[in-house]
Amino acid sequence: AQKITQTQPGMFVQEKEAVTLDCTYDTSDPSYGLFWYKQPSSGEMIFLIYQGSYDQQNATEGRYSLNFQKARKSANLVISASQLGDSAMYFCAMREGQGNTGKLIFGQGTTLQVKP
Amino acid sequence: NAGVMQNPRHLVRRRGQEARLRCSPMKGHSHVYWYRQLPEEGLKFMVYLQKENIIDESGMPKERFSAEFPKEGPSILRIQQVVRGDSAAYFCASSPRASGGPSYNEQFFGPGTRLTVL
Repeated sequence: AQKITQTQPGMFVQEKEAVTLDCTYDTSDPSYGLFWYKQPSSGEMIFLIYQGSYDQQNATEGRYSLNFQKARKSANLVISASQLGDSAMYFCAMREGQGNTGKLIFGQGTTLQVKP
Repeated sequence: NAGVMQNPRHLVRRRGQEARLRCSPMKGHSHVYWYRQLPEEGLKFMVYLQKENIIDESGMPKERFSAEFPKEGPSILRIQQVVRGDSAAYFCASSPRASGGPSYNEQFFGPGTRLTVL
C-alpha cells in the first residue's frame, strides 16, 4: 500500500503567486514525522520543512509552510511568493515511529515550474 | 564543516562489472542511510547502518547488493555484476542519531552518485 501519495505529477505557478503541493500519507502509527524536500535539476536533496505528528501548530520556514491536517492525513506544502528558483521537484516523506530506525518513505514527487 | 560527501558523482559501468559507491557522513554522524532513486521516481530506502553494523537492510535487493560502514573510513554500497536496471541515482544521508517518529532528526543528504550501466 502506498504510504505517501503525491497526486500532482506536475504543477505550474506564476511568479510571486502562492502554490500548494499536495501530500497524503497512510500510517497506523500515532508517532511519525513528515518532511518536505526540494530536488532541483542539479539533483541534490534540500530539506525544506518538518512537521511532527504531535506538533500543535503548523510548521513554517520562511516562505514555506506545512498545512497539516491530521484527521485527513494530509501534509500539504504551501510556497508563498513563488520565485523562479523554486522550479524543482518536491518530495514529501514520512518517518514512522515506534521501533523505527529513522528511515524515510518518499512520495513520487511533484514537479513545480514557476513561470515568469 | 563539510556536509555529506559522496563519490564518485557519476559512475559508468558495463553490464557485469562491479560498482562501488562511497559515502562519508558529516563529522560526528555515526548513522548512515542509503536510498536509490530510479528515473522519474521518488527515493526508496535501501539500508541503514551504524558504525560496523547493518541495522536495517529491508530495502536492499537480495542479491548482488551489499553495504558496509567500517569503524574507519566511508560507508560503501557495493553492487556486483551490475545490470541496466541498476542505473539510478544513489543517495546517502547521515544523521547524528537515530530516532523514529515525531522527534525532529534531520537526515542530511549527500549530492548523490549517478550510476549508468551500459
